[in-house]
Amino acid sequence: GNSVTQMEGPVTLSEEAFLTINCTYTATGYPSLFWYVQYPGEGLQLLLKATKADDKGSNKGFEATYRKETTSFHLEKGSVQVSDSAVYFCALTPKNSGNTPLVFGKGTRLSVIA
Amino acid sequence: ETGVTQSPTHLIKTRGQQVTLRCSSQSGHNTVSWYQQALGQGPQFIFQYYREEENGRGNFPPRFSGLQFPNYSSELNVNALELDDSALYLCASSSRTELYEQYFGPGTRLTVT
Repeated sequence: GNSVTQMEGPVTLSEEAFLTINCTYTATGYPSLFWYVQYPGEGLQLLLKATKADDKGSNKGFEATYRKETTSFHLEKGSVQVSDSAVYFCALTPKNSGNTPLVFGKGTRLSVIA
Repeated sequence: ETGVTQSPTHLIKTRGQQVTLRCSSQSGHNTVSWYQQALGQGPQFIFQYYREEENGRGNFPPRFSGLQFPNYSSELNVNALELDDSALYLCASSSRTELYEQYFGPGTRLTVT
């Protein structure tokens, strides 16, 4: 089946530190991969995506590269800010699925302290 | 461009009751998906609607049902509520040309007592 595994949180970093949140997946075929962010009290926002191997998604200083050989899509940011504090979800959509449901990981809570 | 909206924001129900949650899709989007997010967990796919018909379903019992209307808005109905139904219910809309990009509403927080 399709599944996503994320590193467990919470992750606590000081402002301007480097961030990595690991994500690996299991899927049939070549899924599309996503990172969503959920700020306190809000719904999910699409942060970035990659639809094929070696694609790099990027947005707001965050990056993730679709690695087929390691079935990974790790999220990175070079210098985090307090405003990045949120829960981050890695997700996939199986491309062979006509109804494109998103399969999510359990989420990783990030806290950035000044 | 209007984003995805959901109502109500919060809801408290008693075990055994029925509940209806509502979702208006983003302008230009004709596909609506519903997800259940239990506390501390990732969202779980409930079902998806396209052209007013269910177009895929996750591992949820039949007491979870839905509707989609001609204006693409949608309802999620849950009958015979159980304590474990307490969760954040998220609606997401997408267009048929960009199926892989789903845009989420703020969610409805349902508490079953």
